[in-house]
Amino acid sequence: KAGVTQTPRYLIKTRGQQVTLSCSPISGHRSVSWYQQTPGQGLQFLFEYFSETQRNKGNFPGRFSGRQFSNSRSEMNVSTLELGDSALYLCASREGSTYNEQFFGPGTRLTVL
Amino acid sequence: AQTVTQSQPEMSVQEAETVTLSCTYDTSESNYYLFWYKQPPSRQMILVIRQEAYKQQNATENRFSVNFQKAAKSFSLKISDSQLGDTAMYFCAFMKGQGGSEKLVFGKGTKLTVNP
Repeated sequence: KAGVTQTPRYLIKTRGQQVTLSCSPISGHRSVSWYQQTPGQGLQFLFEYFSETQRNKGNFPGRFSGRQFSNSRSEMNVSTLELGDSALYLCASREGSTYNEQFFGPGTRLTVL
Repeated sequence: AQTVTQSQPEMSVQEAETVTLSCTYDTSESNYYLFWYKQPPSRQMILVIRQEAYKQQNATENRFSVNFQKAAKSFSLKISDSQLGDTAMYFCAFMKGQGGSEKLVFGKGTKLTVNP
């Protein structure tokens, strides 16, 4: 099976812009989680989607949003970018019905100038 | 809220030697899972080993084993016969065991360097 894929791998944006990141889970996985990784804060949970519904959300401002499509692909959007949004954004997928191992993608490196 | 603490920001070990990475956590939950994830430089994060809290037996995966001390809320990772490919960031993580929608809570990580 193909692994979790994320596009794009690298992004450079300026403050105030918005950005959309994409994640394609492993085939058959219905759950997609997003994490933000920064040197200062480490890995922090953003949100999880399962069968097109957000079922868990981390402590991030409303500028961070996401969605999931019927094919389980997920997108996350960050509006009105701030310098502090510069980070590696990781997506993880799992089968999702109960506890299952989470498989991570390579991440999208977002730089906000 | 659950917290995970890794007290060793960086460690180094000689190839073929054994190294132990420390992790402590804080939770009031009785049912949970613990994990060690490996993130090699510029590569994807992968699961190294996991432990179910209800299991007393320590998990092992080839050269990787854990020392799970539930009462002390300690979960250390031992890497035996270290290899150059073990060089990576290692993250300890916690997940509540209710199933369904549960997030991973990560420690800050330990950067491990294996020297030839």
